[in-house]
Amino acid sequence: DAMVIQNPRYQVTQFGKPVTLSCSQTLNHNVMYWYQQKSSQAPKLLFHYYDKDFNNEADTPDNFQSRRPNTSFCFLDIRSPGLGDAAMYLCATSRVGQVYGYTFGSGTRLTVV
Amino acid sequence: AQSVTQLDSHVSVSEGTPVLLRCNYSSSYSPSLFWYVQHPNKGLQLLLKYTSAATLVKGINGFEAEFKKSETSFHLTKPSAHMSDAAEYFCVVSAQVRDDKIIFGKGTRLHILP
Repeated sequence: DAMVIQNPRYQVTQFGKPVTLSCSQTLNHNVMYWYQQKSSQAPKLLFHYYDKDFNNEADTPDNFQSRRPNTSFCFLDIRSPGLGDAAMYLCATSRVGQVYGYTFGSGTRLTVV
Repeated sequence: AQSVTQLDSHVSVSEGTPVLLRCNYSSSYSPSLFWYVQHPNKGLQLLLKYTSAATLVKGINGFEAEFKKSETSFHLTKPSAHMSDAAEYFCVVSAQVRDDKIIFGKGTRLHILP
């Protein structure tokens, strides 16, 4: 089945140690999003790619970076995780112009120790 | 500019009784509106969507929502709640234009009482 897959489901990292979360999709959607969701809060958009065009939200910390090497894959890099970065990270995809909605992955739960 | 307001942060209903989760929106464009459900430690699952076709939209698991332009509302309903409906529900608005971002409401936690 076409879907959005996030790996790993759970990630534990040390304070200050770089970590990478991955997202892959088989939907051939041209837009990919990364969201951060803290406990009992709505998802917060960090950035998104429209094809290869990177769009950063104004309030996304520099500590967060992203890469999209091809249509199918998108990575979230946290250069120096702090305790405040512990959250669920959600990847989503969409195809602009086709109102199918947004397909979300199952998320990666990041713990910083 | 777009925004979405979920009027209740928590809703509690008894099993077998109707569910109403309220959502109001504002949008500069003709909006697309969605309801997503999130169970604990899971991703978001699309329940239903409105995209300028029929104003009464039927979704999965017996949920439906009605788009009311005059009231700028898109409330989610279900005739009879099940225990498995206990989750967080997000109302989402989008203009579906290039580089458009989807805007989430703050979420409503639905509690089902036995």
